Amino acid sequence: EPEVTQTPSHQVTQMGQEVILRCVPISNHLYFYWYRQILGQKVEFLVSFYNNEISEKSEIFDDQFSVERPDGSNFTLKIRSTKLEDSAMYFCASSEGLGTNTEAFFGQGTRLTVV
Amino acid sequence: AQSVTQLDSQVPVFEEAPVELRCNYSSSVSVYLFWYVQYPNQGLQLLLKYLSGSTLVKGINGFEAEFNKSQTSFHLRKPSVHISDTAEYFCAVRRSSNAGGTSYGKLTFGQGTILTVHP
Repeated sequence: EPEVTQTPSHQVTQMGQEVILRCVPISNHLYFYWYRQILGQKVEFLVSFYNNEISEKSEIFDDQFSVERPDGSNFTLKIRSTKLEDSAMYFCASSEGLGTNTEAFFGQGTRLTVV
Repeated sequence: AQSVTQLDSQVPVFEEAPVELRCNYSSSVSVYLFWYVQYPNQGLQLLLKYLSGSTLVKGINGFEAEFNKSQTSFHLRKPSVHISDTAEYFCAVRRSSNAGGTSYGKLTFGQGTILTVHP
């Protein structure tokens, strides 16, 4: 069964460093998403990506965040200068479309710890 | 904008007992409703969804949910739980395709409910 793959599963970084979280969406999917879950809080939408551009983003997704689909298979989330409050589980998701018979498939998540 | 409230952060039950996980939502437009499950060290997996039609929807692993528009609820139920149902459950909504405006599939989640099934 096709699945969304995220790497690494756990990333520890020092405050102020840049991190790149990687995702390989399901191959025929067209819509890509990043969500995050701070420990003990809700899963929050960060950004959606379609046709090689950001289609929607939340207020959390400020200038320190960026997304890219560099090679047609990977979908990355970059945090330029990490802060302690960026520590969270980051989930990538993809969907084939937006119609009534499509659903978002989620990866296993990357746990980011900023120290 | 949409919001989702899961009324119970933790629900402990004994094996073979029935369970109900509660979810209420708020939205100014029509929405689709979802329940996702997260087993330890795994990603979010879709349990079931309500898009339109019959208000009682059945999902995987014997779960079902009922959409109640007047009460803006979408509670998840299972008549008899197993140890393997121990997981965190998330209710989520998404703007429907006929709601007007622009939607790119953004999901709004509740806080999650940890279901623990005891032997």
